[in-house]
Amino acid sequence: EAGVVQSPRYKIIEKKQPVAFWCNPISGHNTLYWYLQNLGQGPELLIRYENEEAVDDSQLPKDRFSAERLKGVDSTLKIQPAELGDSAVYLCASSLDGSHRSTDTQYFGPGTRLTVL
Amino acid sequence: GESVGLHLPTLSVQEGDNSIINCAYSNSASDYFIWYKQESGKGPQFIIDIRSNMDKRQGQRVTVLLNKTVKHLSLQIAATQPGDSAVYFCAEKKRLNFGKGTSLLVTP
Repeated sequence: EAGVVQSPRYKIIEKKQPVAFWCNPISGHNTLYWYLQNLGQGPELLIRYENEEAVDDSQLPKDRFSAERLKGVDSTLKIQPAELGDSAVYLCASSLDGSHRSTDTQYFGPGTRLTVL
Repeated sequence: GESVGLHLPTLSVQEGDNSIINCAYSNSASDYFIWYKQESGKGPQFIIDIRSNMDKRQGQRVTVLLNKTVKHLSLQIAATQPGDSAVYFCAEKKRLNFGKGTSLLVTP
């Protein structure tokens, strides 16, 4: 069974340019998460989707970040315009059921390493 | 604010020894914790979890202990192997808070 797929794996852009990341969750997983991970730090949640609905986007910097999950499957995360401080690894994860009561495991993708010059 | 954090940023152990990685949390209402392992260039991988109605849970070569009185949990790895070298995170599931991680280095 394929795991969570992310692309691209690496991206280098100049500041002020736009960038987009793509995530394909594990088949059948209703919940999808986007995390940001800075070097030496743990992942920080940006947004959580239940099917196509964003149920927690409180940590998403909405002035420059946007995300969508059309049809409740694949998801894209966009930054426009990118800033130097956005350099990080962007992780996508999925789980069957992301409710607080659930014991379902999150499965993480390999991440996209973004470098903003 | 609420936090989940590990005690030591790095831990070096010899191959074959047991490893203990510690984690503290601040919210006494936290009731479900997960340990993840993250190897270089990969996303975090689930190791083991524990609910607050338990104080110990065992897996293959790993044991998690939960002390709710002092809001502390630990991950014990028996007979540590080179393949165990990675960064380990404890996370509180409800709020999806990860700590900073402990980097485990296994030396031959």
